[in-house]
Amino acid sequence: DGGITQSPKYLFRKEGQNVTLSCEQNLNHDAMYWYRQDPGQGLRLIYYSQIVNDFQKGDIAEGYSVSREKKESFPLTVTSAQKNPTAFYLCASSIPRDRASGYTFGSGTRLTVV
Amino acid sequence: GDSVTQMEGPVTLSEEAFLTINCTYTATGYPSLFWYVQYPGEGLQLLLKATKADDKGSNKGFEATYRKETTSFHLEKGSVQVSDSAVYFCALSDKRGSYIPTFGRGTSLIVHP
Repeated sequence: DGGITQSPKYLFRKEGQNVTLSCEQNLNHDAMYWYRQDPGQGLRLIYYSQIVNDFQKGDIAEGYSVSREKKESFPLTVTSAQKNPTAFYLCASSIPRDRASGYTFGSGTRLTVV
Repeated sequence: GDSVTQMEGPVTLSEEAFLTINCTYTATGYPSLFWYVQYPGEGLQLLLKATKADDKGSNKGFEATYRKETTSFHLEKGSVQVSDSAVYFCALSDKRGSYIPTFGRGTSLIVHP
């Protein structure tokens, strides 16, 4: 079955460390997205990519970086510049510029600073 | 810009009660409208959608009708179950926003036996 796989499910980061969250999809979707979810704040867009080797900043890109070298993969790095990284991170994919298709989401990675 | 407003939660119901979660939107074009559901500790799942005015989306006993005149897309279910306890997100997608969905803040539903 097609879907999105996020790993790991739980991740712990020490102060000053960079960590990378994995997102892989086998849906053949061109567009992929990263969201951050905090309690009571809904979803906030970090970065998105609508084609390989191209990506755009979302609403809260500071302290994060991404790459899109393959269609299937869109890893997110949380850098030490992100001062409050503890959150639930969600990856999604879709058919780009298709108003009707909706998103497919992964099951999320919960990042905690220790 | 585009925006989505949902009723604040939590919404607390007894099993078999009728559910309504209100959602209104602001958009300049002709958006598609979606409801997503998020169970505890998981990602979001697409629950239903509607792509034009007067369309009704339905799935798993949930329904929502695209009302252009009231710019609304309220989620309803006739008889909720404990297993429906989750957070529900309303969203829209249109050309002005490059088809990147705008999400509401989510409404938590708690169903008691």
